[in-house]
Amino acid sequence: EPEVTQTPSHQVTQMGQEVILRCVPISNHLYFYWYRQILGQKVEFLVSFYNNEISEKSEIFDDQFSVERPDGSNFTLKIRSTKLEDSAMYFCASRLGVYNEQFFGPGTRLTVL
Amino acid sequence: QKEVEQNSGPLSVPEGAIASLNCTYSDRGSQSFFWYRQYSGKSPELIMFIYSNGDKEDGRFTAQLNKASQYVSLLIRDSQPSDSATYLCAANSNSGYALNFGKGTSLLVTP
Repeated sequence: EPEVTQTPSHQVTQMGQEVILRCVPISNHLYFYWYRQILGQKVEFLVSFYNNEISEKSEIFDDQFSVERPDGSNFTLKIRSTKLEDSAMYFCASRLGVYNEQFFGPGTRLTVL
Repeated sequence: QKEVEQNSGPLSVPEGAIASLNCTYSDRGSQSFFWYRQYSGKSPELIMFIYSNGDKEDGRFTAQLNKASQYVSLLIRDSQPSDSATYLCAANSNSGYALNFGKGTSLLVTP
């Protein structure tokens, strides 16, 4: 069964460093997403991406964040200068159509020291 | 602020019983609603979705939607200890792109 994959599973970084989180969405899906979940809190939407551009973003997704689909399979989230409060689980998700189910990857645990 | 509200629980039910999980939402523009299960430290796993008023059944799970009351529920029949997890309710945003999640209800099924 097709699934969303994410790498790495755990990333530890120093405050102020840049990190890139990688995702491979399900191959025929057209809509791609990043969410985050701070420990003990709810899953929060960051950004959606369709047709090679951002279709919607939340207030969390400020200038420190960017997304890219560098080729036909990968979808990346970059955080330019990490802060302590960026420590969270980051989930990538994809869906076939805008009102279809979203399927989540296993997540990347980001720890900012 | 578009909110999805859930009782945090924990909701404790004995094995074999029916677990009833509830969710309300504030965005009348939401069209689709999703139930996910999340085990500790893991990603959300889709259980089912619903977009029409009424009931939708899938195996031991039944989702119920009442748009007039802005209310979604999930019934789990014949609950098993492996069903013990946090259940997340999510609603499509008005734009259709994002999912707005509730904080989740913790379910504990006791043998």
